[in-house]
Amino acid sequence: DTAVSQTPKYLVTQMGNDKSIKCEQNLGHDTMYWYKQDSKKFLKIMFSYNNKELIINETVPNRFSPKSPDKAHLNLHINSLELGDSAVYFCASSQGAGGFGYTFGSGTRLTVV
Amino acid sequence: GQNIDQPTEMTATEGAIVQINCTYQTSGFNGLFWYQQHAGEAPTFLSYNVLDGLEEKGRFSSFLSRSKGYSYLLLKELQMKDSASYLCAVSNQAGTALIFGKGTTLSVSS
Repeated sequence: DTAVSQTPKYLVTQMGNDKSIKCEQNLGHDTMYWYKQDSKKFLKIMFSYNNKELIINETVPNRFSPKSPDKAHLNLHINSLELGDSAVYFCASSQGAGGFGYTFGSGTRLTVV
Repeated sequence: GQNIDQPTEMTATEGAIVQINCTYQTSGFNGLFWYQQHAGEAPTFLSYNVLDGLEEKGRFSSFLSRSKGYSYLLLKELQMKDSASYLCAVSNQAGTALIFGKGTTLSVSS
């Protein structure tokens, strides 16, 4: 029933590892996003895909690679994890890319030790 | 680019009224959004203003002045459950994503 689901909810890993976070939405939306929320609660856009096509790629290290196999899925792969990558990562979706009607996933809390 | 400012923290007591201000600078304005985020949870949509004026929705109201680049969220009859972060957001220049302010953490005490 969950509209936007992310897995895993918690992820603890060592520096240098590679990890993936998965996101799926069942709302029929055509746009999906990844946001990073740091310890100061600042929610910052990382990537946006519209119908599997990348439309936003903010200044993010290329260790972060999004992949959208279809418009219902947007995964985030992170290589060579660093301490500064520790944050909560939120997936969101919307119908259209205008920002209206965002639905967020419950977030993935990534801790790099 | 976009720049959004809102106070970092506010405190209030149950039953009171609180106003959370947001000032913004953006090109290509497509509306201003308010989201609520409880600790450890995802942000949830509260309100959307695209025209000047006040939008009322129950205990929450949101105001917009496009000429001043200013909005506020008004919360009435505060309840303990209103303790949360309140995020102001506008669309980016291309209109392809929301850009969020740093959020205002509201603490409601009895």
